[in-house]
Amino acid sequence: NAGVTQTPKFQVLKTGQSMTLQCAQDMNHEYMSWYRQDPGMGLRLIHYSVGAGITDQGEVPNGYNVSRSTTEDFPLRLLSAAPSQTSVYFCASSYLRPVSGNTIYFGEGSWLTVV
Amino acid sequence: DAKTTQPPSMDCAEGRAANLPCNHSTISGNEYVYWYRQIHSQGPQYIIHGLKNNETNEMASLIITEDRKSSTLILPHATLRDTAVYYCIVATGTASKLTFGTGTRLQVTL
Repeated sequence: NAGVTQTPKFQVLKTGQSMTLQCAQDMNHEYMSWYRQDPGMGLRLIHYSVGAGITDQGEVPNGYNVSRSTTEDFPLRLLSAAPSQTSVYFCASSYLRPVSGNTIYFGEGSWLTVV
Repeated sequence: DAKTTQPPSMDCAEGRAANLPCNHSTISGNEYVYWYRQIHSQGPQYIIHGLKNNETNEMASLIITEDRKSSTLILPHATLRDTAVYYCIVATGTASKLTFGTGTRLQVTL
């Protein structure tokens, strides 16, 4: 059971380049999300999805695009990278169980530097 | 979601109990208290959550006051590996959109 897998772990981009951060989970979770974490800060929600074909914006969505074609995968696309997008990116997933609280599982992070 | 207030840092001697406080005075009736931790720059790790009753699992205990306006995470026998940033988060049961503050940096020392 791999849990939440993110690739790549490290990436350097030039300003204006585009790229996709991959996220996959093997727990059949309905909910998946992307967070970013800047130095000394907590995590901030970028985009999230409650199921295949359904996505929505979080707190800091500008400059990012997502899609959810399968339950397992939730890629994050940087359309035109900017130095302000230098950050650590975390993917997370969970079941949607509103009854007794929920556990969200996080990936190990993707370190992105935009120069 | 309600906001939380945590001390920025705490120290604890190895083998002693670490008691991490959290204030969440604006918590609403359907919101849970969640605790996560982040070791170095790894992905956050779930620790425990509760609604109004005290909770215990293999990692920690969670004590929630009767008015639910504050809580305490207890690591009963802290080890060096418990050195991390601990986040107290208040969210609804689905916990689909967690709001992370800056947490408490716990340093466990010999």
